[in-house]
Amino acid sequence: EPEVTQTPSHQVTQMGQEVILRCVPISNHLYFYWYRQILGQKVEFLVSFYNNEISEKSEIFDDQFSVERPDGSNFTLKIRSTKLEDSAMYFCASSELAGGYNEQFFGPGTRLTVL
Amino acid sequence: AQSVAQPEDQVNVAEGNPLTVKCTYSVSGNPYLFWYVQYPNRGLQFLLKYITGDNLVKGSYGFEAEFNKSQTSFHLKKPSALVSDSALYFCAVRDSKDSWGKFQFGAGTQVVVTP
Repeated sequence: EPEVTQTPSHQVTQMGQEVILRCVPISNHLYFYWYRQILGQKVEFLVSFYNNEISEKSEIFDDQFSVERPDGSNFTLKIRSTKLEDSAMYFCASSELAGGYNEQFFGPGTRLTVL
Repeated sequence: AQSVAQPEDQVNVAEGNPLTVKCTYSVSGNPYLFWYVQYPNRGLQFLLKYITGDNLVKGSYGFEAEFNKSQTSFHLKKPSALVSDSALYFCAVRDSKDSWGKFQFGAGTQVVVTP
């Protein structure tokens, strides 16, 4: 069964450093998402991406964040200058269609620890 | 704005007993409701969804959920719990007016099934 994959599974970085989290969505999916979950808190929407453009972003997704689909398979989330409060589990998700009744398929997550 | 509440941080149940995980929601339009399950070190796995029609929805692994519009609830149920059902369960809602389909997740409920 096709699945969303994410690398690395765990990333440790120093405050102020740049990190890139990588995701490989399911191959025929067209809509991509990033969510994050701070330890002990709920899963929060960050950004949605379609047709090489951001379609929607939350207030969390400020200028320090960017997303890119550099090739036909990868979907990346970049944090330019990490802060302590960026420590969280980051989930990538994809779906074949947008909105409505379509479920999203989630990757296993990348645990980001900022020291 | 949409929101989801899962009032219980943890539900404990003995194997073989019925399992219920509660969820209530708030949306401005019509709700699309989903349940996901997360096992340790795994991504969120889709269990079931309610879009329209029959209020009782059946999903994977013997789970079902009942949509109650008057109570704005979508509780997850399983008639006979298994130890392997021990996991973190998330309720999610999507507003039918949201064309890009971001989820609003609940805080999650940890289910512990004891032998």
